Amino acid sequence: QQPVQSPQAVILREGEDAVINCSSSKALYSVHWYRQKHGEAPVFLMILLKGGEQKGHEKISASFNEKKQQSSLYLTASQLSYSGTYFCGTVSGGGADGLTFGKGTHLIIQP
Amino acid sequence: EPEVTQTPSHQVTQMGQEVILRCVPISNHLYFYWYRQILGQKVEFLVSFYNNEISEKSEIFDDQFSVERPDGSNFTLKIRSTKLEDSAMYFCASSGTSGRIGELFFGEGSRLTVL
Repeated sequence: QQPVQSPQAVILREGEDAVINCSSSKALYSVHWYRQKHGEAPVFLMILLKGGEQKGHEKISASFNEKKQQSSLYLTASQLSYSGTYFCGTVSGGGADGLTFGKGTHLIIQP
Repeated sequence: EPEVTQTPSHQVTQMGQEVILRCVPISNHLYFYWYRQILGQKVEFLVSFYNNEISEKSEIFDDQFSVERPDGSNFTLKIRSTKLEDSAMYFCASSGTSGRIGELFFGEGSRLTVL
């Protein structure tokens, strides 16, 4: 089952903050965040692993609540370049390594 | 900077025809993936490939699809007898570690249009 992302879309002014949420009905091994600009490939932002380890870019932060099977991506002091669609991808247990992506959150940053 | 390259960038085919999409993963990566994205929708996992065999496949990846690593550099996705609903952007990705814990590097995609 695909993770559920919220909100579906966000419009911000440059400099404002945003939080994008991702929740799953299944126990998760890891949560992955990617950003996709129109007509381009998804680009890696962050991985959060069961147990607390995180890998990602310094300017992006995220949390992973294993008990609630939820993750949140925090975008602070947003820049025009942050515009795009943000996808969370999840991996459950059992040795799987294919990501199940949510439907995405469209983020528009206005000057 | 190393990158994943895909060819063709766009292919138009008639329903029922066979299509081969090609990918050159990053040279020292060991894990390879195909994902697809129907226009305006989410990215969907098709298949993962490691150590010269399929390690996982989704429900979408039925007998119509096959993957191959014919030599040390290419990774191909073959779609037999294409259907209208196969029209999508197909992304190849590679990773130095399992996708469970590692960053996926996506190619720019191959847009398939089935008429």
